[in-house]
Amino acid sequence: DGGITQSPKYLFRKEGQNVTLSCEQNLNHDAMYWYRQDPGQGLRLIYYSQIVNDFQKGDIAEGYSVSREKKESFPLTVTSAQKNPTAFYLCASSTRPGTGNQPQHFGDGTRLSIL
Amino acid sequence: GENVEQHPSTLSVQEGDSAVIKCTYSDSASNYFPWYKQELGKRPQLIIDIRSNVGEKKDQRIAVTLNKTAKHFSLHITETQPEDSAVYFCAASMEYGGSQGNLIFGKGTKLSVKP
Repeated sequence: DGGITQSPKYLFRKEGQNVTLSCEQNLNHDAMYWYRQDPGQGLRLIYYSQIVNDFQKGDIAEGYSVSREKKESFPLTVTSAQKNPTAFYLCASSTRPGTGNQPQHFGDGTRLSIL
Repeated sequence: GENVEQHPSTLSVQEGDSAVIKCTYSDSASNYFPWYKQELGKRPQLIIDIRSNVGEKKDQRIAVTLNKTAKHFSLHITETQPEDSAVYFCAASMEYGGSQGNLIFGKGTKLSVKP
């Protein structure tokens, strides 16, 4: 889906460092999501936001933080408190829940590794 | 909360044969069930979805069936081709409630189609 852009494609984190993953969408979607994907684990929800200036923790929020200051942007910060950050991170967006379930559309992902 | 189980974890078929992937869900309030295809290193892409007011949906070689009573749904791929090789994820969500719109994913099925 060309409407969701994640950057960078690859990211390396040093010990004790915070890193921020970018997610931008031009689909005019209200809802945005961050998932973590590990081999054999499927996709697990980190944080989600159904509207600007509001976000909620998902199933594995510890060690992560987000902001939603603009409708089109939902950056994810992986903090030093996340002891096992190596994973493939996927951002997704959809129309607002409650208006009739609509599919989530995904970005190309960011692969994060520890140096 | 919702839990989605997916089987099998790996599936190998001969080109031209059919492939079936099954998922079960735990929360009877779930009413939206998408299927995603993910090729290696790429984003998950929606291939078909079904809502709880429908028992079956077809799109060319792909079909999904839903049994609300038993709380399971299945993906059927007929006349498989090598390009169908990928990891397939099922998911479930509910339109209303505290976690409305959030997708709960199965752990994935790696499908290999041998020429």
